[in-house]
Amino acid sequence: AQKVTQAQTEISVVEKEDVTLDCVYETRDTTYYLFWYKQPPSGELVFLIRRNSFDEQNEISGRYSWNFQKSTSSFNFTITASQVVDSAVYFCALSAEYNFNKFYFGSGTKLNVKP
Amino acid sequence: GAVVSQHPSRVICKSGTSVKIECRSLDFQATTMFWYRQFPKQSLMLMATSNEGSKATYEQGVEKDKFLINHASLTLSTLTVTSAHPEDSSFYICSAALRDNEQFFGPGTRLTVL
Repeated sequence: AQKVTQAQTEISVVEKEDVTLDCVYETRDTTYYLFWYKQPPSGELVFLIRRNSFDEQNEISGRYSWNFQKSTSSFNFTITASQVVDSAVYFCALSAEYNFNKFYFGSGTKLNVKP
Repeated sequence: GAVVSQHPSRVICKSGTSVKIECRSLDFQATTMFWYRQFPKQSLMLMATSNEGSKATYEQGVEKDKFLINHASLTLSTLTVTSAHPEDSSFYICSAALRDNEQFFGPGTRLTVL
């Protein structure tokens, strides 16, 4: 069975602080993909990153970075020097070999960045 | 990048009426589209997979007769909520697959049933 857990329901930080959003996944498949999406108040899902199970390299994109660790089944997302515009709900998702088109979403973490 | 649109973005209807939501892939052809439902402050739950030219595949617990899906062309899938009731009020999001595990999401449709 596939499962994604985002234990942090809501996080509040002050602008310019760094914040890490946790994501833990479960799958028995050896080939799988992990995703992060941002959902601002408007509701539209914004794609942030896709990572396959064979690529454990960490990735950095501007203020965003991702730490993928297969040993702990985690795919954490860090925002450096957070900004008010980062306020949104962030979802981690998994798709696996059994059916790559079926996405399993975590429950989401709401990030509040205060000025 | 690939763009997916949904129409309408918001709809308010009376209990007992049917509502149709359209999902279009604007700049690519999508053999497969997906319909998700999101309750307030909750995650996205896959309702069904819509395949062009064939019947949709529904997830367990989703009523086929309640949520009718039609995927008549490679760029259009429709979700019809039949005889809507207040408990059907939700945010409905579609996505279209450009290729395996590369999905693009629409902006969502907020349905309110009075």
